[in-house]
Amino acid sequence: EPEVTQTPSHQVTQMGQEVILRCVPISNHLYFYWYRQILGQKVEFLVSFYNNEISEKSEIFDDQFSVERPDGSNFTLKIRSTKLEDSAMYFCASKDGGSTNYGYTFGSGTRLTVV
Amino acid sequence: QKEVEQNSGPLSVPEGAIASLNCTYSDRGSQSFFWYRQYSGKSPELIMSIYSNGDKEDGRFTAQLNKASQYVSLLIRDSQPSDSATYLCAVIGGTYKYIFGTGTRLKVLA
Repeated sequence: EPEVTQTPSHQVTQMGQEVILRCVPISNHLYFYWYRQILGQKVEFLVSFYNNEISEKSEIFDDQFSVERPDGSNFTLKIRSTKLEDSAMYFCASKDGGSTNYGYTFGSGTRLTVV
Repeated sequence: QKEVEQNSGPLSVPEGAIASLNCTYSDRGSQSFFWYRQYSGKSPELIMSIYSNGDKEDGRFTAQLNKASQYVSLLIRDSQPSDSATYLCAVIGGTYKYIFGTGTRLKVLA
């Protein structure tokens, strides 16, 4: 079964450093997403991406965050200057069709720890 | 602010019993509803989706939707210890983004 692949599985970084989280969505999917889940809290939407541009972003997704699809297969989330409160699980997801009637496929996640 | 509400639990049921998980949502215009299962430290895994009022069955799982009451539920029949997880209710909120509830932790006791 096709999978969404995320790397690394765990990243530890110092506060103020830049991190890039990587995702390889399912190949024929068209819609891409980043979500995050702070430990013990709900899964929160960060950003959606379609047709090589951001289609929607949340209040969390401020100027410190950016996304890119540099080569047609990878989908990255960059955090420019990490803060302690960025520590969370980050999930990439992708979806194929244009209907709302299809669920996402989530990747296995990257656990980001900012120290 | 669009919200999805779930009782955080834990909901404890004996093995073989029916587990009933509930979810309410605030946006009356919501069209698509999903149940995900999440094991501790893992990513959400899609169990079921439902779009029309009524019941939808898939194996041991039944999703129920009542748009008038803005209520979605998930029934798990013949609950097994392996069903112990957090169950997330998600609603499509626009441009296909999910709005998730906080999840209900289910414990199936052997």
